[in-house]
Amino acid sequence: NAGVMQNPRHLVRRRGQEARLRCSPMKGHSHVYWYRQLPEEGLKFMVYLQKENIIDESGMPKERFSAEFPKEGPSILRIQQVVRGDSAAYFCASSLDLLTASSGNTIYFGEGSWLTVV
Amino acid sequence: KQEVTQIPAALSVPEGENLVLNCSFTDSAIYNLQWFRQDPGKGLTSLLLIQSSQREQTSGRLNASLDKSSGRSTLYIAASQPGDSATYLCAVRYNQGGKLIFGQGTELSVKP
Repeated sequence: NAGVMQNPRHLVRRRGQEARLRCSPMKGHSHVYWYRQLPEEGLKFMVYLQKENIIDESGMPKERFSAEFPKEGPSILRIQQVVRGDSAAYFCASSLDLLTASSGNTIYFGEGSWLTVV
Repeated sequence: KQEVTQIPAALSVPEGENLVLNCSFTDSAIYNLQWFRQDPGKGLTSLLLIQSSQREQTSGRLNASLDKSSGRSTLYIAASQPGDSATYLCAVRYNQGGKLIFGQGTELSVKP
């Protein structure tokens, strides 16, 4: 029973390059969330997706950031033209389909992807 | 504005002590509240989840309580061990399936 899988675990990008972070939710989970943890700061919500739909993107920066969760394959968080301030740990989490959840809306986190922009 | 605050920011105790971590939230209309543990350089591990209709949840040496009316939750750790050393995060959700709003965490160190 694999948990939430994120890759790469560590990524180094030069300023101006693109970063793509991937997240495979737990088996049977169709809800994916992305959070960002900046150095010395708490976890901040970025985006909430269901398969092929963005439900809540209120935490996403207006520019350069995008997220998708296609019908097949992992969820992708894409950061274009990275800047030093994008250096952070990016966490993905998943939860059950709301219609079938019976034990509450527990959410499971991946190990995170650490992005360093040099 | 919906905010979550945790105090203290850091706590150091000798092994064997019982301890309490505090979490407060500004908007009491929560859907549920969840406590997580985060080890350095690692992801989050869910410890306990309390629905808005519940008062407490227990798992082993951990007990989490919820007082919605006062906007507070506590995580009680009994007989602390060095392996309990980690950052403990409190997070609230305001609707089913909604985003989690995290506190800044309490960094716990249990000395042998």
